[in-house]
Amino acid sequence: GAVVSQHPSWVICKSGTSVKIECRSLDFQATTMFWYRQFPKQSLMLMATSNEGSKATYEQGVEKDKFLINHASLTLSTLTVTSAHPEDSSFYICSGAGTEETQYFGPGTRLLVL
Amino acid sequence: GNSVTQMEGPVTLSEEAFLTINCTYTATGYPSLFWYVQYPGEGLQLLLKATKADDKGSNKGFEATYRKETTSFHLEKGSVQVSDSAVYFCALRGLAGSQGNLIFGKGTKLSVKP
Repeated sequence: GAVVSQHPSWVICKSGTSVKIECRSLDFQATTMFWYRQFPKQSLMLMATSNEGSKATYEQGVEKDKFLINHASLTLSTLTVTSAHPEDSSFYICSGAGTEETQYFGPGTRLLVL
Repeated sequence: GNSVTQMEGPVTLSEEAFLTINCTYTATGYPSLFWYVQYPGEGLQLLLKATKADDKGSNKGFEATYRKETTSFHLEKGSVQVSDSAVYFCALRGLAGSQGNLIFGKGTKLSVKP
């Protein structure tokens, strides 16, 4: 199957700093990318959907100015957590979808805000 | 709204045991149903899917049948292996088309002992 990578795989930062997470589709062009957040023992919760070259569509309750998403190319999307606080600590997962039906998921990025 | 409920884990089995992980859903219309698997340190991978009532999805010895009358999509395998140890997620997609949003259950961790 197609491969999606995320970088970094884990990050620890101080409260108030910004963190950027990259999501890359390595062997296919992802016209749509999805960003999810997962709390311990909870479901993956969709945060936003982005189409290449367009503004992301955020789910209800997700702050656009807090979680900046850029989908500048068909193989790269970035999520920036701005002014991170401890409550932003979580596991962030991206996925990409091309012309087929299936979403391909990255391995996730664990964020810990101190 | 749409939702997915799956049995809580962890589930611990001996090798060659029979596996069932229950999944029920709530949705309007006719959703597509999926099982994803996440092996340690890797991203979610599509295991199998079914797009209409009475369809049976199967892959790697795993099976699940789309039961509209009971709104269920239980995952089964007749003889598990140590290599099946992973977290399994049931999911549905309610929107038509290839870019619909996935709604996930909380995941069930399976550990298979030799």
